[in-house]
Amino acid sequence: DADVTQTPRNRITKTGKRIMLECSQTKGHDRMYWYRQDPGLGLQLIYYSFDVKDINKGEISDGYSVSRQAQAKFSLSLESAIPNQTALYFCATSDPTGSNEQFFGPGTRLTVL
Amino acid sequence: GQNIDQPTEMTATEGAIVQINCTYQTSGFNGLFWYQQHAGEAPTFLSYNVLDGLEEKGRFSSFLSRSKGYSYLLLKELQMKDSASYLCAVPSGAGSYQLTFGKGTKLSVIP
Repeated sequence: DADVTQTPRNRITKTGKRIMLECSQTKGHDRMYWYRQDPGLGLQLIYYSFDVKDINKGEISDGYSVSRQAQAKFSLSLESAIPNQTALYFCATSDPTGSNEQFFGPGTRLTVL
Repeated sequence: GQNIDQPTEMTATEGAIVQINCTYQTSGFNGLFWYQQHAGEAPTFLSYNVLDGLEEKGRFSSFLSRSKGYSYLLLKELQMKDSASYLCAVPSGAGSYQLTFGKGTKLSVIP
């Protein structure tokens, strides 16, 4: 079974709709991250959370919000989707007791029409 | 902030050796990561260097020079399945747990 899962894997939506992307992990890691990836731009950090009560903005948080419902769950919401939010979204976790290597989920491909 | 530079694309022949370079500028060095990412898939961890020198792991090796702000990933005995993007990443600041990723180097392995 996958350690980091994301749902849905693919989503097509329309401009103005509210969308939630979900991430769950069984690795027992406290630290979780949301990234978006666009062709030629690499991975950009949207939000990160170091525990249930700790939420931090990343470099591109505008238009997004997150919820850390439990240690194992970290959700990303697009309040009112717009076409330039079309991208591949990844959730990741890390364990600070080691090298802080990040483990990625399989990704969600989001298309906003 | 962090600044990471890597070549956008490279092409190499099956069975050959290829070196992918990464230069970085960071406000506080705390290790450098290499990830492999096949098209449309999640990045997967390859290596982590925190001290200068070469670390070998099977067909893949990673080198770090902290004084030069330079790293490379060396892939030997290239296989078709090595066609992927290779991402260099460093912590986003001194003592930071967030990573700043380079834009990645897309490697194409040809017969």
